[in-house]
Amino acid sequence: ETGVTQSPTHLIKTRGQQVTLRCSSQSGHNTVSWYQQALGQGPQFIFQYYREEENGRGNFPPRFSGLQFPNYSSELNVNALELDDSALYLCASSRGLATNEQFFGPGTRLTVL
Amino acid sequence: EDKVVQSPLSLVVHEGDTVTLNCSYEVTNFRSLLWYKQEKKAPTFLFMLTSSGIEKKSGRLSSILDKKELSSILNITATQTGDSAIYLCAVAPDSEKLVFGKGTKLTVNP
Repeated sequence: ETGVTQSPTHLIKTRGQQVTLRCSSQSGHNTVSWYQQALGQGPQFIFQYYREEENGRGNFPPRFSGLQFPNYSSELNVNALELDDSALYLCASSRGLATNEQFFGPGTRLTVL
Repeated sequence: EDKVVQSPLSLVVHEGDTVTLNCSYEVTNFRSLLWYKQEKKAPTFLFMLTSSGIEKKSGRLSSILDKKELSSILNITATQTGDSAIYLCAVAPDSEKLVFGKGTKLTVNP
């Protein structure tokens, strides 16, 4: 069974730029959730995708957007980057909506200068 | 607003000690409570507790859910240096999100 993978590992951007982060879900999982983890904080829910549709969204502005593809991999896009967007972005996959067991990838560390 | 509070925020112990980490929650709805271990980046799943499964054990780790007190504890017995990590508690109020606490940073000294 392949685990959750994310790319890139690290990324440095400047304010105002746009970024795309990628996630491949664990084999057999059709649900992907994205979280933002600032330093010293717990992960905060951004949104979830289930069968290519957004299934729920946290308290993040519209410049955070996403996609899920037919193979259940997913992208997180952030436009007009701000300094406060610097964080670890985690992707988690799960098997459907009946379970809350989410398995996390290694994350992408985004630094905005 | 859904809220998860963990205590203590950090803890330093010696190898062989037993530790208890606490998690309390206030959520509009409750489906399950999960514990994760975060060493470098990826939180690693430890346990999921629900109304039908309030106690879980795996090796030296065990966890109990108290639905009356809206809380959970994670016990680690005979701690080892490899147990050093941040332990995250999360509550699922629905099928979508997990609401996380800030975590407890555990340091186990030899």
